[in-house]
Amino acid sequence: GQQVQQSPTSLVLQEGENAELQCNFSTSLNSMQWFYQRPGGSLISVFYNPSGTKQSGRLTSTTVIKERRSSLHISSSQITDSGTYLCAMDANSGTYQRFGTGTKLQVVP
Amino acid sequence: GPKVLQIPSHQIIDMGQMVTLNCDPVSNHLYFYWYKQILGQQMEFLVNFYNGKVMEKSKLFKDQFSVERPDGSYFTLKIQPTALEDSAVYFCASSPRDRGGSDYTFGSGTRLLVI
Repeated sequence: GQQVQQSPTSLVLQEGENAELQCNFSTSLNSMQWFYQRPGGSLISVFYNPSGTKQSGRLTSTTVIKERRSSLHISSSQITDSGTYLCAMDANSGTYQRFGTGTKLQVVP
Repeated sequence: GPKVLQIPSHQIIDMGQMVTLNCDPVSNHLYFYWYKQILGQQMEFLVNFYNGKVMEKSKLFKDQFSVERPDGSYFTLKIQPTALEDSAVYFCASSPRDRGGSDYTFGSGTRLLVI
């Protein structure tokens, strides 16, 4: 079945440092999405990025379909970036989303 | 921005009883979803729903689970009867199109405890 692996599982950054979060998947990709989950639970869609590179402010997502991976780059991290980042993918039509286990990010002063 | 509201935020229920979780999706969205997250574990897809029908469901969507959205009101997840392993946070989401997108919106979750 589909497997979605995220790395690292956790990360501590000093404020201002950059971070690269990885998501690898075992099957061909139909869509890929990154979410931010606040401490306490609710999710916010960060990027919908089935292929290529997208940027929004300090965040950049790159999905390389042939290599079955997607990354989320956070530049100049801020304390408010702390939380869990989840990637979710689904394979070709007819299959449902699978989430990764998440990367728990803590940004400290 | 537009929000998905989930009611109640917390629910404690005796094993074997029925529970209904309510979701008020974003008004112009057409696709609706339920997810389950056990504390400290992975987010898991349960079901998606469009045009009055279940489109896809996972193995976690047991026979005791059902979803509906009668007359454009709440999108509901009903569990009957509940089991101890149903204790989790249940998230509802909605989107205007299939397969997510940047306007894919989640609710804050209903924390269900079955005792």
